[in-house]
Amino acid sequence: EPEVTQTPSHQVTQMGQEVILRCVPISNHLYFYWYRQILGQKVEFLVSFYNNEISEKSEIFDDQFSVERPDGSNFTLKIRSTKLEDSAMYFCASSPGQGARAFFGKGTRLTVV
Amino acid sequence: GENVEQHPSTLSVQEGDSAVIKCTYSDSASNYFPWYKQELGKRPQLIIDIRSNVGEKKDQRIAVTLNKTAKHFSLHITETQPEDSAVYFCAAAGNKLTFGGGTRVLVKP
Repeated sequence: EPEVTQTPSHQVTQMGQEVILRCVPISNHLYFYWYRQILGQKVEFLVSFYNNEISEKSEIFDDQFSVERPDGSNFTLKIRSTKLEDSAMYFCASSPGQGARAFFGKGTRLTVV
Repeated sequence: GENVEQHPSTLSVQEGDSAVIKCTYSDSASNYFPWYKQELGKRPQLIIDIRSNVGEKKDQRIAVTLNKTAKHFSLHITETQPEDSAVYFCAAAGNKLTFGGGTRVLVKP
């Protein structure tokens, strides 16, 4: 089965530092997503991306966050100045269409110290 | 935006018994309803999904029902086994997936 790959699997960063989380969606998928899961809580939507632009974002996705598809394969999430409360598991997902099954990567555990 | 409520938050069952988890959603435009199983430290894994033009779907010991009028859907696990112990999330999708709060299921041998 095709896989969404995420790197790194674990990232530790100092508060105030910038981090970039990387994802390689499934190659023929058109919709890309970032989700966040704080330990022990539910999976929360951050942003969706289609046709090289953000199609929807949540209240969590403030101006400290940005996404980019710098080439034909990578999809990145940048947090400009990390806060302690950004510590969470970040999942990338992709799907072939709206309302279609979303495939999740294994996640990046971000720890802000 | 979409809001998905999930109950119960925890569920303890004896091995062999059935487990039922219920979800409600708010956005009538949602048309895709997946269920995910998440084990500790791992990603959500799709276990079954249902589309809005279908009322019920079954896959071995797992079944999902959908009532579009009432905007609720349920997951049924029959003949539970210890390996069914995990956190289960429902979700509703129109343009994006909105997850419920999760149900921690414990199957006692």
